[in-house]
Amino acid sequence: GEDVEQSLFLSVREGDSSVINCTYTDSSSTYLYWYKQEPGAGLQLLTYIFSNMDMKQDQRLTVLLNKKDKHLSLRIADTQTGDSAIYFCAGGASGGGADGLTFGKGTHLIIQP
Amino acid sequence: NAGVTQTPKFQVLKTGQSMTLQCAQDMNHEYMSWYRQDPGMGLRLIHYSVGAGITDQGEVPNGYNVSRSTTEDFPLRLLSAAPSQTSVYFCASSPRGGANTEAFFGQGTRLTVV
Repeated sequence: GEDVEQSLFLSVREGDSSVINCTYTDSSSTYLYWYKQEPGAGLQLLTYIFSNMDMKQDQRLTVLLNKKDKHLSLRIADTQTGDSAIYFCAGGASGGGADGLTFGKGTHLIIQP
Repeated sequence: NAGVTQTPKFQVLKTGQSMTLQCAQDMNHEYMSWYRQDPGMGLRLIHYSVGAGITDQGEVPNGYNVSRSTTEDFPLRLLSAAPSQTSVYFCASSPRGGANTEAFFGQGTRLTVV
């Protein structure tokens, strides 16, 4: 089955850019997602990218996909204290994904003042 | 819009007890699923359903049962709770797959088995 790997922690200074990386093993993942989880809360979809795209930009968020290396990254520009959360990379074969997403273990984004 | 509603939010069980975690969505979504979240483990899929009357196992189905008699509801049953089932449980729903679809998650049920 799919395996999704992320580093567990990332520490950045407020105002800098954050880059969260993810690698996946299943080339049949059609959709790749980034979710955000704040303490004690559920998951919030931040953005997604189709496997036939290289890049997607949405305001402060930029997603880069390298299909050859099966590498996905999320860049958050001008990181703010409100960005402090756990970020999950997930892959799915169909859109939406509630029929079964494979999640990474999550990256804790820590913002230094 | 209520979205995805999970009840209860918190629950403490004794080993061997049974209970049902409720999940309801009011968005007429076809797909629903249950995940458990454990520290350092991310979210792991327990069971999922692609429509009323259809369910399938995910990565960690043992010890859990599900049924999908209606589009709106997808309850998760623990038949005989074990301490290893202490976790935070998330229910999700989404429309049938396609462009611009999104999985919506409930707020979670924090379960402790003692």
